[in-house]
Amino acid sequence: DSGVTQTPKHLITATGQRVTLRCSPRSGDLSVYWYQQSLDQGLQFLIQYYNGEERAKGNILERFSAQQFPDLHSELNLSSLELGDSALYFCASSVEVDEQFFGPGTRLTVL
Amino acid sequence: QQPVQSPQAVILREGEDAVINCSSSKALYSVHWYRQKHGEAPVFLMILLKGGEQKGHEKISASFNEKKQQSSLYLTASQLSYSGTYFCGSSEGGSNYKLTFGKGTLLTVNP
Repeated sequence: DSGVTQTPKHLITATGQRVTLRCSPRSGDLSVYWYQQSLDQGLQFLIQYYNGEERAKGNILERFSAQQFPDLHSELNLSSLELGDSALYFCASSVEVDEQFFGPGTRLTVL
Repeated sequence: QQPVQSPQAVILREGEDAVINCSSSKALYSVHWYRQKHGEAPVFLMILLKGGEQKGHEKISASFNEKKQQSSLYLTASQLSYSGTYFCGSSEGGSNYKLTFGKGTLLTVNP
């Protein structure tokens, strides 16, 4: 158990819908990262927040957005969902820019 | 740009050694290694920083050739628990947090 929690574990939804994935980092970790993992694209960095502010952006679609709240938990919002958005979404946290601890992931299925 | 890992897959018998390589076409600031078992989240193994600093597991070693923009992960006297997919993540431009991961190397250790 890494200490990072993610909810929900599984999510099944339809194309065009919007979903919110939630992540609680390890106690004391200020950085939160979001990753998307699919069979064809591998593990893709989406975005990073540090103490409430966006610090780095990767290949995140405009339909996706994220935020980190004052209590340091983070949410990833995915809208206008497409079949290709089906993937495993991981959240990770770290103290600084060091070892990242990954949560168990949310498996999103878009039908 | 995504680092290139080789080999894509390797099968070992318990006790054998393996080397997994990771190379990039861009200058690297750091290389991170993670292992992911099927159905689980990636787990941190090692960070190699420009200048030679390393942080990671005692039983796993790695090298980082900054000039050649390459890193290698050395698994010696492999155990069944070493089975999984190994990912290298590279960061550029003086920051550790925006990681670009390779497609992974599937390592299978048989009795």
